[in-house]
Amino acid sequence: QQQVKQSPQSLIVQKGGISIINCAYENTAFDYFPWYQQFPGKGPALLIAIRPDVSEKKEGRFTISFNKSAKQFSLHIMDSQPGDSATYFCAASSSVERGAQKLVFGQGTRLTINP
Amino acid sequence: KAGVTQTPRYLIKTRGQQVTLSCSPISGHRSVSWYQQTPGQGLQFLFEYFSETQRNKGNFPGRFSGRQFSNSRSEMNVSTLELGDSALYLCASSLFRPGANVLTFGAGSRLTVL
Repeated sequence: QQQVKQSPQSLIVQKGGISIINCAYENTAFDYFPWYQQFPGKGPALLIAIRPDVSEKKEGRFTISFNKSAKQFSLHIMDSQPGDSATYFCAASSSVERGAQKLVFGQGTRLTINP
Repeated sequence: KAGVTQTPRYLIKTRGQQVTLSCSPISGHRSVSWYQQTPGQGLQFLFEYFSETQRNKGNFPGRFSGRQFSNSRSEMNVSTLELGDSALYLCASSLFRPGANVLTFGAGSRLTVL
């Protein structure tokens, strides 16, 4: 019940296109859903995050869509650029279970933007 | 503002040895978490410390341990190393207050066990 399932494992998108990465979770106690971006040789960096009281959050070209009833959330990258090429991780945590800092990560998506 | 600093960045050990990794959090951050990253298992939570106390622990054997000092710096130790312990070990720090789940990760310590 602690799992977060992420798809696809890898994704190739043309420059200017829309990149979409999906995640699903089981634990209904999860109340915080961040996305992290990781470049080779670096640690993951927070990209954008959402709480279940909203269905969508947008920051620049990055949008999280959240479907509480389906227990799914997704990351949309609009106008994808070669600099967006990285590995993306969705994650979830529960403040109720004394685990606000304990993130459960998806397996990651390696995104490649072709110029 | 300095980020999360992890040392050493790279190290090679042999089976049976032990290793200690260090993490200096962002100034003012009192919570430190550790994660293991491998190609097969992805990112997995090891443990979290706040005010020198372990608040949470992941599903790892007792060979994995950690501690936090009064200045919030943290160390993790892995004893009796196994080949499967080869991984990138990531430290993350955060402010500890309700709703502040934002973790800032360091670049990691890459451990290779031969």
